Amino acid sequence: GQNIDQPTEMTATEGAIVQINCTYQTSGFNGLFWYQQHAGEAPTFLSYNVLDGLEEKGRFSSFLSRSKGYSYLLLKELQMKDSASYLCAVSNSNYQLIWGAGTKLIIKP
Amino acid sequence: GAVVSQHPSRVICKSGTSVKIECRSLDFQATTMFWYRQFPKQSLMLMATSNEGSKATYEQGVEKDKFLINHASLTLSTLTVTSAHPEDSSFYICSARVGGQDYHEQYFGPGTRLTVT
Repeated sequence: GQNIDQPTEMTATEGAIVQINCTYQTSGFNGLFWYQQHAGEAPTFLSYNVLDGLEEKGRFSSFLSRSKGYSYLLLKELQMKDSASYLCAVSNSNYQLIWGAGTKLIIKP
Repeated sequence: GAVVSQHPSRVICKSGTSVKIECRSLDFQATTMFWYRQFPKQSLMLMATSNEGSKATYEQGVEKDKFLINHASLTLSTLTVTSAHPEDSSFYICSARVGGQDYHEQYFGPGTRLTVT
């Protein structure tokens, strides 16, 4: 089967750094996406990785290791508005997105 | 760019009635649109993939006669929930794929909250 695993919930402090991990097993691989979803809203695109390595975009970075079936999303200088769910999704050989259950990130002052 | 709209944002209907949800790509042409459902505290569940001008491809367990999808143009796809029941109450989200199959980022609409009483 295909599955995406990520922690259910994480807590971090404002101004700190947090790393959200994602491991995957899919039928084929055509890239990995990270999305942010605030409660009651639709997901918004954060990052896309298809090659191994680190992609940096402002306070957010995403890392991919295809051989390990592993990715992480790194959030720096955390702000209260970063409190949200973070969804990991993998595009499989049919270009379908397989979604993780999401990681709820709670930021404390 | 790459804006997707959904209408309505919220709808309340009585059990047994049908509800239509529209998904539009405002500034690009979307050959492929996706319909998702999301229950509280759960992840997105893909319901169907909609390609312009052809029949939608439904995921296993999704009743195609209950969830009618029409993708008549490159900028509009509709989802009709027929004979809605309280268990159909959910957050329905559409997305559109930008570009060809080798560039497959999906942009999401704002979602439609359906409540069936």
